[in-house]
Amino acid sequence: DVKVTQSSRYLVKRTGEKVFLECVQDMDHENMFWYRQDPGLGLRLIYFSYDVKMKEKGDIPEGYSVSREKKERFSLILESASTNQTSMYLCASSPRDRENNSPLHFGNGTRLTVT
Amino acid sequence: GQNIDQPTEMTATEGAIVQINCTYQTSGFNGLFWYQQHAGEAPTFLSYNVLDGLEEKGRFSSFLSRSKGYSYLLLKELQMKDSASYLCAVVDSNYQLIWGAGTKLIIKP
Repeated sequence: DVKVTQSSRYLVKRTGEKVFLECVQDMDHENMFWYRQDPGLGLRLIYFSYDVKMKEKGDIPEGYSVSREKKERFSLILESASTNQTSMYLCASSPRDRENNSPLHFGNGTRLTVT
Repeated sequence: GQNIDQPTEMTATEGAIVQINCTYQTSGFNGLFWYQQHAGEAPTFLSYNVLDGLEEKGRFSSFLSRSKGYSYLLLKELQMKDSASYLCAVVDSNYQLIWGAGTKLIIKP
């Protein structure tokens, strides 16, 4: 079974702090994604990566950056955390697939609270 | 704009059947996914439809009508463990996933 592991289930940070969310997958997937999930809204894509060193902006990249130095690891960085970034963050991976019809495998999420 | 509509919440009785609808207006269509998400857990894949018709997988079935921009997830013989949110997601013409807000399903004994 594919395992996607997010380093923290819960995080509490202060406004202005730099925050790192780590995600590791063990199935050699090329594609990795960071989403945020808020009540009443669909999953919103922050950034994604189709290969090592590659990154693409999603729908809401402002205030975030990412790093993919190794194939299995995709990190989300909040350069200066703000209260409106309080959310559930979900990492996902999938194999390379031009038609995007391979299911995503999700981590259990990191619930981040910014005070 | 692109839009996926699902009911916010539904309630059903253990042992019964429930149908969760999803309607979409997207720039093109290249497939539709259903995921299940228990509270505090990761979404997990349930089904994928790209052609019209019904796909059956045990107690769960998913239906698609591309001409109507409509899908439903049918859950039979409901069990308490089916209490979860059900997420509908469409692959658009750019092969990007567009997500609905999810339907919270509450199962009562």
